[in-house]
Amino acid sequence: KAGVTQTPRYLIKTRGQQVTLSCSPISGHRSVSWYQQTPGQGLQFLFEYFSETQRNKGNFPGRFSGRQFSNSRSEMNVSTLELGDSALYLCASSPGVGRFNGYTFGSGTRLTVV
Amino acid sequence: TQLLEQSPQFLSIQEGENLTVYCNSSSVFSSLQWYRQEPGEGPVLLVTVVTGGEVKKLKRLTFQFGDARKDSSLHITAAQPGDTGLYLCAGSNTGTASKLTFGTGTRLQVTL
Repeated sequence: KAGVTQTPRYLIKTRGQQVTLSCSPISGHRSVSWYQQTPGQGLQFLFEYFSETQRNKGNFPGRFSGRQFSNSRSEMNVSTLELGDSALYLCASSPGVGRFNGYTFGSGTRLTVV
Repeated sequence: TQLLEQSPQFLSIQEGENLTVYCNSSSVFSSLQWYRQEPGEGPVLLVTVVTGGEVKKLKRLTFQFGDARKDSSLHITAAQPGDTGLYLCAGSNTGTASKLTFGTGTRLQVTL
């Protein structure tokens, strides 16, 4: 059973640019969540998508957006990048129905904004 | 805003020693999970606890959920170098089951 796949693994962008990160969940999982991990703030919830609809949203500015496709793959986009957006972005999948028993995380995308 | 405070922040011990990591909050959670994260990788789920007072054992790891479902602990017996990593607790609430609040993390290093 393939795990959660995130691409790319590493990315360097310039301030002001935009970036798109991709996530393929475990087969059969319909929920995909995104988290930002930084040394100062730890892991913070960005948003969750379930069956192509945003089901939950964290406290991030509108520059952070996402979407989910019919095959459950998800993308997140960050526009007008700021230096503070440098972080490890983690995607996590779960079945999305029934009792929540935890996530399976991908290895993350390390974004550096210069 | 719900917060989960972990202690200690850092722990450096020798192989064979025992240790306990604590996860505390002023808020009630419907369930709590523990994850371990290694450098350059995503967190890996260790356990989920859902009932106040619940104790779960995973080989040398023992997890406990507080009676009031506000706190949890992770005890490792006879630590091994392979236990090295960042340990994270994370709580969820029924209404937003898959929106986790993560703890501040405990970085454990086990040396020979």
